[in-house]
Amino acid sequence: SYELTQPPSVSVSPGQTARITCSGDALPKQYAYWYQQKPGQAPVLVIYKDSERPSGIPERFSGSSSGTTVTLTISGVQAEDEADYYCQSADSSGTYRDVVFGGGTKLTVL
Amino acid sequence: QVQLVQSGAEVKKPGSSVKVSCKASGGTFSSYAISWVRQAPGQGLEWMGRIIPILGIANYAQKFQGRVTITADKSTSTAYMELSSLRSEDTAVYYCARDGSPYSSSSIVPAQGYYYMDVWGKGTTVTVSS
Repeated sequence: SYELTQPPSVSVSPGQTARITCSGDALPKQYAYWYQQKPGQAPVLVIYKDSERPSGIPERFSGSSSGTTVTLTISGVQAEDEADYYCQSADSSGTYRDVVFGGGTKLTVL
Repeated sequence: QVQLVQSGAEVKKPGSSVKVSCKASGGTFSSYAISWVRQAPGQGLEWMGRIIPILGIANYAQKFQGRVTITADKSTSTAYMELSSLRSEDTAVYYCARDGSPYSSSSIVPAQGYYYMDVWGKGTTVTVSS
């Protein structure tokens, strides 16, 4: 089955830039999406279609894509950005496109 | 603004079934698929399947085939997820989420071809314990 691979953890100091990667063979064929999840809360979409930002999401959140890797970048990290981040895409095989999540990355703000 | 309201927490015995509901308000229910995603304690997100109300079609992740049934009642804008043969490993928070790309009545592919979730319910805790 299709897999997306993320680093388990990333740590940055406030004001620095955090980069979280996500790798998957089908990413050149299917868009990637990013969700932020804080403890005890439901996930929130922060990036869609590789690099688009939903309304209400701060400009410091951005996304990019290169080949089989997509990257979520958080510029000027704030304490409130500490959370788990999940990438998501779709399995490009089959009649229906199953949704696939990466394993998640815990962002720690030092 | 679309909101998804889920049913309350459940405690179930191993071998039994659970049915969780997800009522949508503030949008066009039929045109958007509803996905179900679960999260075991301390673990990541796991997609279980989706229902496309306008087509009356559901598809399931292979892992859950034969054990999960996802349905929708268009008259009440409510989606349901039923999981059977419960075991302790099914203890998790179960989320419903609206797919972000609408469907038409003539295609199994969303109109824009995008597969993601833009609105989430708050989650329903299901505990399986003897």
